[in-house]
Amino acid sequence: QVQLVESGGGLVKPGESLRLACEGSGFTFSDYYMNWIRQAPGKGLEWVAYITASGRTIFYADSVKGRFTISRDNAKNSLYLQMSSLRAEDTAVYFCARDKFYYDSGSFHYFFDYWGQGTPVTVSS
Amino acid sequence: QSVLTQPSSVSAAPGQKVTISCSGSRSNIGTNYVSWYQQFPGTAPKLLIYDNTERPSGIPDRFSASKTYTSTTLGITGLQTGDEADYYCGSWDSSLRAVVFGGGTKLTVL
Repeated sequence: QVQLVESGGGLVKPGESLRLACEGSGFTFSDYYMNWIRQAPGKGLEWVAYITASGRTIFYADSVKGRFTISRDNAKNSLYLQMSSLRAEDTAVYFCARDKFYYDSGSFHYFFDYWGQGTPVTVSS
Repeated sequence: QSVLTQPSSVSAAPGQKVTISCSGSRSNIGTNYVSWYQQFPGTAPKLLIYDNTERPSGIPDRFSASKTYTSTTLGITGLQTGDEADYYCGSWDSSLRAVVFGGGTKLTVL
């Protein structure tokens, strides 16, 4: 069965860096686009970034552009999120998610069919 | 402030039907497909509806969705206490070039 397992979360101070990882299993990891989505305490979902199957195309939310870097290693079935210059507002549970994203007849199809359990990140002095 | 607008909460009695609305704009729901997610406290979201109206395997037909131009509505019939959760709509926004979500709706089954 499809599994996504995140790791790497923790407590860091403002301005510091952290690297999250997500390992996929039960599917051909290199065939799928992958995403990071976060959820601040008591708040809703916020999409953070996606990376295509090959890693050649990447999109970021404006809130993290220039500070976060998404990457993947298909040989290790792994997705990463390098977070730098962290701020208090980056405090959240970070989920990795597999998506189905394609364009058809003038419309984009985009949905997340599998999610990891999440890893918490707290940015506080 | 979320790009997609949902009511913060809805409630209904067991066995009844409830609807949750999600409104957007031409650049997201008006052009692209919508998905819905169910999230229980402390757990990851789960895909409930994709491509506006489609249910993944294993999702009961008590859950359905419909879409008008820039709005979509999730319907849940035969409410059960186990349906108490947060529900989120999501779509690709062609102007923002980003995935956008609604702020979430907390469903209470009285």
